[in-house]
Amino acid sequence: DVKVTQSSRYLVKRTGEKVFLECVQDMDHENMFWYRQDPGLGLRLIYFSYDVKMKEKGDIPEGYSVSREKKERFSLILESASTNQTSMYLCASRWDRGGMNTEAFFGQGTRLTVV
Amino acid sequence: EDQVTQSPEALRLQEGESSSLNCSYTVSGLRGLFWYRQDPGKGPEFLFTLYSAGEEKEKERLKATLTKKESFLHITAPKPEDSATYLCAVQASMDSNYQLIWGAGTKLIIKP
Repeated sequence: DVKVTQSSRYLVKRTGEKVFLECVQDMDHENMFWYRQDPGLGLRLIYFSYDVKMKEKGDIPEGYSVSREKKERFSLILESASTNQTSMYLCASRWDRGGMNTEAFFGQGTRLTVV
Repeated sequence: EDQVTQSPEALRLQEGESSSLNCSYTVSGLRGLFWYRQDPGKGPEFLFTLYSAGEEKEKERLKATLTKKESFLHITAPKPEDSATYLCAVQASMDSNYQLIWGAGTKLIIKP
């Protein structure tokens, strides 16, 4: 089975802290994604990566950055956490099949609270 | 503007009471429609992909169908373990190879 593992299930951080969310996948997927999920809004794409060291902004990249130094690992960084970044963060990965959007596999999510 | 709307927001059914969830979309050139199931506190789990109008897919008590404007997720004789939030997502065009447009989900509650 494909496994996408996020480093934390729950995090509580203080305003202004730098926060790292880690995601590891074990299926050699090319593409990895970070979403945030808020009630009534659906999933919103923060950043995605289609290869090592390659990244693209999603719909809501402000206040976030990402790092992909190895194919299996994709990190989301909150440069200076703010209370409006309190949310559920979801990492996903999928194979790249020539532009066709294959199904994505998600991690269990990290519920981040910024106080 | 590309958009995906799911209805209803929440649906309560008795065990065994069949019903349907709706995902309507307005996008420029559908390339794929995805259904996911999400249990509380967990990440979404993939269910189906549909690529063209008229296509249908089934898995246990679930059946997904697709038209040019919407998709339905039919649930037949549901059980309490089918309770979850069901998410729909659409891939719209060649310009967004990596991006999906997500609906807000339908929360399904099956009472024993």
